[in-house]
Amino acid sequence: DAKTTQPNSMESNEEEPVHLPCNHSTISGTDYIHWYRQLPSQGPEYVIHGLTSNVNNRMASLAIAEDRKSSTLILHRATLRDAAVYYCIPSNDYKLSFGAGTTVTVRA
Amino acid sequence: GAGVSQSPSNKVTEKGKDVELRCDPISGHTALYWYRQSLGQGLEFLIYFQGNSAPDKSGLPSDRFSAERTGGSVSTLTIQRTQQEDSAVYLCASSLTGGLSTEAFFGQGTRLTVV
Repeated sequence: DAKTTQPNSMESNEEEPVHLPCNHSTISGTDYIHWYRQLPSQGPEYVIHGLTSNVNNRMASLAIAEDRKSSTLILHRATLRDAAVYYCIPSNDYKLSFGAGTTVTVRA
Repeated sequence: GAGVSQSPSNKVTEKGKDVELRCDPISGHTALYWYRQSLGQGLEFLIYFQGNSAPDKSGLPSDRFSAERTGGSVSTLTIQRTQQEDSAVYLCASSLTGGLSTEAFFGQGTRLTVV
């Protein structure tokens, strides 16, 4: 599994964008980059995933560096409900290896 | 539609007793996974099912842990002779296939406390 490095924590104000970086310099060519989040007292929730191109969905955007050694999850307008632990997970099979993730706090 | 359902949501058991944790995946999902999350820790992979078969049991921590899946649907995780270190939240997830880019849907988990 590719090793990932994420900041331990980030703070944001409500309605402002949040940029969550992830370094995965040992990523393999077949690894997709998955992002999941875990709200307090809940199971993880899928956010987005991509391979090479930037991806957008209703929840977030994923910007993938050209060399794929890093990626950034972008929450365009943070809400209080976005307070969670965010996990960046490179994977090329069924198994998701969760690291420590980034704890996002959103201030009202 | 219904998501992944786990029962019970909480279980308190005495050390040495056996426990069974149940997972009802999303209908039609062929892949099913068990993870556990100890207090303040990350999620730890336990086992992966594709249909009723378990091609990857590499995360089961000891032979006290076993799991089965029947009818390509419901799965049961059994922990025999529970120990205090088994206390954790046990999470089940399912996905449409076990492929490279399929989204996994997680249940709310079963919080197991061994006293």
